[in-house]
Formats: sequence, C-alpha cells, structure tokens
Amino acid sequence: QQQVKQSPQSLIVQKGGISIINCAYENTAFDYFPWYQQFPGKGPALLIAIRPDVSEKKEGRFTISFNKSAKQFSLHIMDSQPGDSATYFCAAGGGNEKLTFGTGTRLTIIP
Amino acid sequence: NAGVMQNPRHLVRRRGQEARLRCSPMKGHSHVYWYRQLPEEGLKFMVYLQKENIIDESGMPKERFSAEFPKEGPSILRIQQVVRGDSAAYFCASSGDRDGYTFGSGTRLTVV
Repeated sequence: QQQVKQSPQSLIVQKGGISIINCAYENTAFDYFPWYQQFPGKGPALLIAIRPDVSEKKEGRFTISFNKSAKQFSLHIMDSQPGDSATYFCAAGGGNEKLTFGTGTRLTIIP
Repeated sequence: NAGVMQNPRHLVRRRGQEARLRCSPMKGHSHVYWYRQLPEEGLKFMVYLQKENIIDESGMPKERFSAEFPKEGPSILRIQQVVRGDSAAYFCASSGDRDGYTFGSGTRLTVV
C-alpha cells in the first residue's frame, strides 16, 4: 500500500524533445508529490512538487501532471537538454513525514 | 546557508566494526530524516527524528542500527557490527515546519 511505481527505468530522448516519466501510487492518504533530480555522487535535489488540489504545475521547462482519480502523476521536461541527463525520482508522502520514493528513471539526452 | 551537511562523504569499515554517520540540518530546520540508497535503486526511508525524539523508525532494521538527534549537535546514524550488506549511500534530509525536504550529499559506506 505504500508503494510508488515509476516508469520507465531508463529513457533516451533527443535534444529538444520532451521527456516524460510516469508514477503511480496506491495510498490515497498521500498529499504531497515531489520530483527529485539526482546527479552521480550527489544527493537528490527537489525539482518540482505538487499537491492534489491542482492537476498541473509548471516551473520553467518542468511540468507535473496529476490525475487524482487514477492515482497517477507524471513529469514532463520540455526542450530537453544534455544537462538534464540525470536520474529522476518521484516520491509521495505527507508534508513533513517520510517520503516513499519510486525506483528512479535514468534519463539520457542525446545531441 | 550551508545546506544539509553530512560527513564523512566516504567511509570504509571492516566487517564487525561500527559506522557513525553525521548530519547537520539546515539552519532553522528541526526535522531530520535518514534514507538509504542501494546502487541502482531508489531511496528507502529509515527514520524520522526531531530534537531529542524519534518520531518514526519504521524503516530501521531492528538490530544494529540506531539514530539520535540530540538537543545540541548533529544527528547521528550508528551502525554496529557492520556487514557487507550495509554498504550503501546514506542520505540525510531536513525540513522546517512548512518547507519541503533538502537532502545532503550523502555518506557512501563501504564494508570490506
């Protein structure tokens, strides 16, 4: 019940394209859905987060789409750049409680 | 603002030794969380602490692992009698009452 399922495991996108990563959760008590970006040897860095009262949130080239009834949320990276190559994790939880993480998506942007 | 500081960055221990990992939260943050990350895997929650209190330790192994966040000083994650399976990256995060998490750069523990 605490699982967060993330797909795909790896993703290759051409520079300028759209990268899409999907997550699904089971626990309807979750009310906070962040995405983290992690570079090799570094800690995860918060990219963007959403709460269930909105269906979409956009910050620059990054957009979260949230479907409460389907218990799914996704990250869209527009105009993907080589510097976006990293591992991306979705997560779910309460505002100040433990987060349950997906297993990660390794994104590679090719020229 | 120095962010969440973890040390050491790398730690090598022989089987049976003790490992002590330290985490200093961001200034003004009173909530500390510890996560473990195995290679090619996501982060797994271990423990959530506030000053002098363990709030949730549901992710901590029952034996050999302990955590504290004293009134003064950093939070400590302690692993006694380490085994090879303890080799992982251990990340600490902190948050304020209304802020999201900020993660440190982690401690990479290698047990030889």
